[in-house]
Amino acid sequence: GQQLNQSPQSMFIQEGEDVSMNCTSSSIFNTWLWYKQDPGEGPVLLIALYKAGELTSNGRLTAQFGITRKDSFLNISASIPSDVGIYFCAGPSTMKTSYDKVIFGPGTSLSVIP
Amino acid sequence: NAGVTQTPKFQVLKTGQSMTLQCAQDMNHEYMSWYRQDPGMGLRLIHYSVGAGITDQGEVPNGYNVSRSTTEDFPLRLLSAAPSQTSVYFCASSPNRGAGNTIYFGEGSWLTVV
Repeated sequence: GQQLNQSPQSMFIQEGEDVSMNCTSSSIFNTWLWYKQDPGEGPVLLIALYKAGELTSNGRLTAQFGITRKDSFLNISASIPSDVGIYFCAGPSTMKTSYDKVIFGPGTSLSVIP
Repeated sequence: NAGVTQTPKFQVLKTGQSMTLQCAQDMNHEYMSWYRQDPGMGLRLIHYSVGAGITDQGEVPNGYNVSRSTTEDFPLRLLSAAPSQTSVYFCASSPNRGAGNTIYFGEGSWLTVV
């Protein structure tokens, strides 16, 4: 089946720094999604991308849909303590037998040092 | 607004015991799913349903059963709990099948099998 890989696995940054993380796959996706999970809660959607090359912002967050459709990037500018959590990339499967399935990456854990 | 409600939030089981994780949504969503979250593994799809009376297997279905007798409810049953099923379980719902941009997650159920 399709798989998503995320890097880095974890990050420790100083408050105020910018953050970059990415998500890759060996197969194409037609939609890229970025979710954030706060400690002890379920994931919440941050940004959805629908077109190759698309660049979308949500406050201090910016995400890009890679041109090859096999990757996506998430940047966070001027990090603050509440940015702490696990960031997941995800996408609806493009395999004919799995159109109903949404695949999640393993996540990037972000820690912000005040 | 209740959204997606999961119960119980915490549960300890002995190996071989059975139990049911309850999930209910009040948004009239057709699509519901169960994920398990393990460190470094991200969210893995267990079972999903595209509507009442219809269920299908996800990535890791072994050891779990589901049913969808109503649109609102999607319980997850562990028939004979094993330590490998120690995990955090998330129920999710969406108005559209396979559209990850509209997935709403519950708060999670922490299960420990000893």
